[in-house]
Amino acid sequence: QQQVRQSPQSLTVWEGETTILNCSYEDSTFDYFPWYRQFPGKSPALLIAISLVSNKKEDGRFTIFFNKREKKLSLHITDSQPGDSATYFCAAKSSSGSWQLIFGSGTQLTVMP
Amino acid sequence: EAAVTQSPRNKVAVTGGKVTLSCNQTNNHNNMYWYRQDTGHGLRLIHYSYGAGSTEKGDIPDGYKASRPSQENFSLILELATPSQTSVYFCASGDAGGAYAEQFFGPGTRLTVL
Repeated sequence: QQQVRQSPQSLTVWEGETTILNCSYEDSTFDYFPWYRQFPGKSPALLIAISLVSNKKEDGRFTIFFNKREKKLSLHITDSQPGDSATYFCAAKSSSGSWQLIFGSGTQLTVMP
Repeated sequence: EAAVTQSPRNKVAVTGGKVTLSCNQTNNHNNMYWYRQDTGHGLRLIHYSYGAGSTEKGDIPDGYKASRPSQENFSLILELATPSQTSVYFCASGDAGGAYAEQFFGPGTRLTVL
């Protein structure tokens, strides 16, 4: 049972394009949604995060859009660069008190020069 | 700079053997986590801990044990390793306080069970 779903599984874009990565969830107790980025051969690291109180979170070229009613999020990367090539994981934390993160299966992004 | 280290970085084990993966953090975080990463599955939580002496089962604990002897150290133990446990294992630490739950990951251990 996958509580956090990501699409597409893989994506190739050209340098300069806007990349859109999708994430959806079902559990209504989720209240915090971090995105982690993992470069090949490296460990995941926090990229950007949003909580239930916000609809949008920006950090430079990275923006999370959050549709709470539909339980959907999307990560937009503007002016995509070859250095953005990595696997992006959407995750969720429950408000139940546990500090566990539930990770999606990831989207592998390739940005072509 | 805060750090999470793992040892060994690579391990080849035989089926039925005992494997211990070690993790050390200098973040002074209360929470520590063990994940495995397999293609198509993302990161799956095996065990986690809220502090020294505590261990909790994650989503896929079968075949694994965990030990948290101190704030800094968290081990993952495979008593009877099987080929299905071939994977990349990540340890992470996180602060229990505040509104957010950022986790800091170690470099990973690549385990192959033959």
